[in-house]
Amino acid sequence: EAGVTQFPSHSVIEKGQTVTLRCDPISGHDNLYWYRRVMGKEIKFLLHFVKESKQDESGMPNNRFLAERTGGTYSTLKVQPAELEDSGVYFCASSQDRWRDTGELFFGEGSRLTVL
Amino acid sequence: AQSVAQPEDQVNVAEGNPLTVKCTYSVSGNPYLFWYVQYPNRGLQFLLKYITGDNLVKGSYGFEAEFNKSQTSFHLKKPSALVSDSALYFCAVRENTGFQKLVFGTGTRLLVSP
Repeated sequence: EAGVTQFPSHSVIEKGQTVTLRCDPISGHDNLYWYRRVMGKEIKFLLHFVKESKQDESGMPNNRFLAERTGGTYSTLKVQPAELEDSGVYFCASSQDRWRDTGELFFGEGSRLTVL
Repeated sequence: AQSVAQPEDQVNVAEGNPLTVKCTYSVSGNPYLFWYVQYPNRGLQFLLKYITGDNLVKGSYGFEAEFNKSQTSFHLKKPSALVSDSALYFCAVRENTGFQKLVFGTGTRLLVSP
């Protein structure tokens, strides 16, 4: 069974440019999460999809970030325009409906974003 | 708001020795606590969880964690460290309200020397 896959693994862009990160969750997982780790700090929650609906987007930093999950399958996270402070590792995770019982989120390897 | 703290950026231990990676938590209500591990060039992997029951929980790769309510701690332990245990370890707590998302700590790098 394929795990959570993220693309690209590393992106280097200049301030003001646009970047789109993609996440393919495990097949059949309705829940999809985006998290971010900046500069060795904590892994911070960005948002949560249930199928194609945004369940919780309380962690999105500002309106330069746009997440979509059309059709309830893969998700994209677009940063436009990128700022220096957006640099970090963006993690995607997915889970089954019963994750609250199992406690297990399945994470991708992360997309490292460097904004110069 | 729920939070966890990992006071050590890095823990160094010799192979074969016991290891402890510390985590303290702050929650309202009953805590739901987790440990995840990130090996180099890999995604985070679930190690173990505490929901209810025994204070000592066992997880993957021989790891265990001890829940201590009076000290609000959930330290990760292993009796005998392996070089292959070297990785980044994250403690997390599940929020008890709202959408119950996981809130992670800052991570502790474990370095096991041969």
